[in-house]
Amino acid sequence: AQTVTQSQPEMSVQEAETVTLSCTYDTSESDYYLFWYKQPPSRQMILVIRQEAYKQQNATENRFSVNFQKAAKSFSLKISDSQLGDAAMYFCAYLNSGSARQLTFGSGTQLTVLP
Amino acid sequence: DVKVTQSSRYLVKRTGEKVFLECVQDMDHENMFWYRQDPGLGLRLIYFSYDVKMKEKGDIPEGYSVSREKKERFSLILESASTNQTSMYLCASSSQGGAGNTIYFGEGSWLTVV
Repeated sequence: AQTVTQSQPEMSVQEAETVTLSCTYDTSESDYYLFWYKQPPSRQMILVIRQEAYKQQNATENRFSVNFQKAAKSFSLKISDSQLGDAAMYFCAYLNSGSARQLTFGSGTQLTVLP
Repeated sequence: DVKVTQSSRYLVKRTGEKVFLECVQDMDHENMFWYRQDPGLGLRLIYFSYDVKMKEKGDIPEGYSVSREKKERFSLILESASTNQTSMYLCASSSQGGAGNTIYFGEGSWLTVV
């Protein structure tokens, strides 16, 4: 079974600074997808960024980028120019490309943005 | 926009009651999921469904059952609610076309069992 580990329960960053959230995963599969989801206080899960395992290029979405290290099974999220609205719980998630298409989530990292 | 609607945002139920949590999606998605979210544990999959009347157990199915009689609706049932089922429950859906398709979530249902 796949597992996803987020070793930082809480992180804080100064507004306009950069922060990196860590995620590692364990799988025996070669083809899969990785995601970062954001959950603000409203509890609505919002997709931040997605990475296909077969792509070597790291995904980017505006101020959000990932550092995908397939051999190390590491998938960190970098938030540049942090804004107050980035404050949320962030979840790393894994999706197998096979028939079982359910997401496996990490335990989450609570990000605080300091003004 | 895709919409996943959970009809009850906040519920308080008594121990032993039968509880229904309803979820409806409006994008004709084949896949639907029920997750439970607890502090420090992230989201854990309870049940999922790939088609009408189909269901598969997730990681923590004990104490729960599901029903999918129509494609757009996926219900989570607690046959006899217990206090350890106090939690937030998230419904999600996705299309069948490609494993990387985005999974859309509802806003969650907070259940308190007293």
